[in-house]
Amino acid sequence: GENVEQHPSTLSVQEGDSAVIKCTYSDSASNYFPWYKQELGKRPQLIIDIRSNVGEKKDQRIAVTLNKTAKHFSLHITETQPEDSAVYFCAAINRNSGNTPLVFGKGTRLSVIA
Amino acid sequence: DSGVTQTPKHLITATGQRVTLRCSPRSGDLSVYWYQQSLDQGLQFLIQYYNGEERAKGNILERFSAQQFPDLHSELNLSSLELGDSALYFCASSALSTATSTDTQYFGPGTRLTVL
Repeated sequence: GENVEQHPSTLSVQEGDSAVIKCTYSDSASNYFPWYKQELGKRPQLIIDIRSNVGEKKDQRIAVTLNKTAKHFSLHITETQPEDSAVYFCAAINRNSGNTPLVFGKGTRLSVIA
Repeated sequence: DSGVTQTPKHLITATGQRVTLRCSPRSGDLSVYWYQQSLDQGLQFLIQYYNGEERAKGNILERFSAQQFPDLHSELNLSSLELGDSALYFCASSALSTATSTDTQYFGPGTRLTVL
C-alpha cells in the first residue's frame, strides 16, 4: 500500500522567511495530494491540494509542487507569519482505487519566530 | 467551520468502560472517515463508511467498531477502554468514495477522549 514520508518533523523559521516541507510517496498510482494545517487543539484544515496532472499550484503565500517522476511533493510558504505556526500534514491517495483511504505523513511542526 | 459536527467535544471515562462518539457529515457527503490522533502523533486512519457500508479499514482495534446510519451520521464505539486509548478522535467527510474532482476530506472539530 501507499507510504508517505514527511520531512522535517520540526521546522523553525524567522518571520518573513520561507518554509519548505517535503513529502515522498511510494505508490506511483497516487494522483491526489492534499496538505492540511492543524493548529493546536483544532481540526486539520485543507490549505491546498494538487492533482497529478499539475506540476505546481499557488494560492497567495502558499504553493505546492509535485514531481511525479521522483514521487515527491513539497509545500512552500513564503513571507511566513506567526499565524502560520501549526502542524502541517501531507497526504496522498490513488483516487481511482476506490477502497484506499488518504495516507498521511507524520506531520511537520512549524514554528515562526517573530 | 467545515460543516462536519462531532459530539461530545470532551469525554472523560475510566478504564474498562465503553463510549460512543458521534459524527454528522457535511450536508450531501456520503463518506465518513474516522481517525485517531494521539499526543504529538499523526493521523491514524481507523475506518471509512460510504453510504452506510464499510468501505476501508485501517489500524482499528477489535475493541473498536463503527457504523453509519441511514441519515449518514456515524458512530464510533470504543469498548474495554485502556489508558492508551486516550486521544483526539476526528471524523471527516467527503462527497464520494471514489475518484472525483471534489473528493476532499473535511474534518470535524474532534472528540478528546481521556481514559483515567
